[in-house]
Amino acid sequence: GQQLNQSPQSMFIQEGEDVSMNCTSSSIFNTWLWYKQEPGEGPVLLIALYKAGELTSNGRLTAQFGITRKDSFLNISASIPSDVGIYFCAGPAMGSNYKLTFGKGTLLTVNP
Amino acid sequence: ETGVTQTPRHLVMGMTNKKSLKCEQHLGHNAMYWYKQSAKKPLELMFVYSLEERVENNSVPSRFSPECPNSSHLFLHLHTLQPEDSALYLCASSQDYQGMNTEAFFGQGTRLTVV
Repeated sequence: GQQLNQSPQSMFIQEGEDVSMNCTSSSIFNTWLWYKQEPGEGPVLLIALYKAGELTSNGRLTAQFGITRKDSFLNISASIPSDVGIYFCAGPAMGSNYKLTFGKGTLLTVNP
Repeated sequence: ETGVTQTPRHLVMGMTNKKSLKCEQHLGHNAMYWYKQSAKKPLELMFVYSLEERVENNSVPSRFSPECPNSSHLFLHLHTLQPEDSALYLCASSQDYQGMNTEAFFGQGTRLTVV
């Protein structure tokens, strides 16, 4: 299947700091999705991006669809302890016949 | 009422038992998925159903048997499992299986422990 390279693999930050994570692929995406998974729960869709260059916010979260359509990033501003979880990028990749593909996730730990 | 509901939330079973996981979606979606998530591993896609037809079976052992009786329900039948099958099993649904409308919505998962 098509590889989605998500980085960093994990982050340990202090409460109040800003966070940035990204996803890259060798394939073109028509949609980029960002999910958050809390311990013991299923992933929850945070932001969906549909156009190259699109910048979308959801509260303290901001995500962008890269101009090349091969990457996306997610920023979290002024982190709080409840931001802890695994963040996944996902999308239907042209290289996977437009089937949904997930990155391996970024584990975020926020120290109060 | 949540969009995708999984039962049970937790399951402990012996290696000789037979059990089933259930998933129900109330979103009118056409595609349903089973994923396995082991500790510190990425999501592993197991099965995909689109319009009640199985469209993907990703080299999953035959001790896992999916069933999709209609577009709203998905089951995963389990028998003679191994301890390494212990994991979080996640069900998801999306409007379509391919293309623009593949945003997946997940259930809360079933935490399975095989003893």
